Amino acid sequence: KNEVEQSPQNLTAQEGEFITINCSYSVGISALHWLQQHPGGGIVSLFMLSSGKKKHGRLIATINIQEKHSSLHITASHPRDSAVYICAVPPFGNEKLTFGTGTRLTIIP
Amino acid sequence: DGGITQSPKYLFRKEGQNVTLSCEQNLNHDAMYWYRQDPGQGLRLIYYSQIVNDFQKGDIAEGYSVSREKKESFPLTVTSAQKNPTAFYLCASSYSNQPQHFGDGTRLSIL
Repeated sequence: KNEVEQSPQNLTAQEGEFITINCSYSVGISALHWLQQHPGGGIVSLFMLSSGKKKHGRLIATINIQEKHSSLHITASHPRDSAVYICAVPPFGNEKLTFGTGTRLTIIP
Repeated sequence: DGGITQSPKYLFRKEGQNVTLSCEQNLNHDAMYWYRQDPGQGLRLIYYSQIVNDFQKGDIAEGYSVSREKKESFPLTVTSAQKNPTAFYLCASSYSNQPQHFGDGTRLSIL
């Protein structure tokens, strides 16, 4: 069974701080997804990556396939980054996603 | 603009009633999914459909039913057999192996 673990569960930081959220999984995968859930509940896909690093604005996602680990970084954090960040993985040969429980990020002005 | 529309945003159900949650997409995606989200838990898959007129059970299908008569629509019925229906329900769609697009969700509560 594929297990997906995220850390930390909750993170509070001051505006401008560098943020790191971690995701570990237990089985081989084809790609990993990072999602952002807004306070109202809607979810937006941030990244899908299968190797290396991807960058979009102030967000950077990295993945180490051998170590089964991914990180999501936010540079120069801002209160509008406050949300729940979720990682999700589809095991090889399976399109269904297994989701982590999410990291609740709060950025204080 | 293309996207996924879920309605209603809030839904209340009396004990013993069936309720249907709507999910419509205009992204021309073949695959559609229904998830349930409970506090402190990751999203769990209820049902998914990869093509019209076909769908498969997910991890927690008991007490739910779906239909996929049109590519654009994938309604979810929460039946009276679902003993703990209070949750946040999310619909998603995608092309094969591509990131899923999510709706804004429906929050279901029992009166």
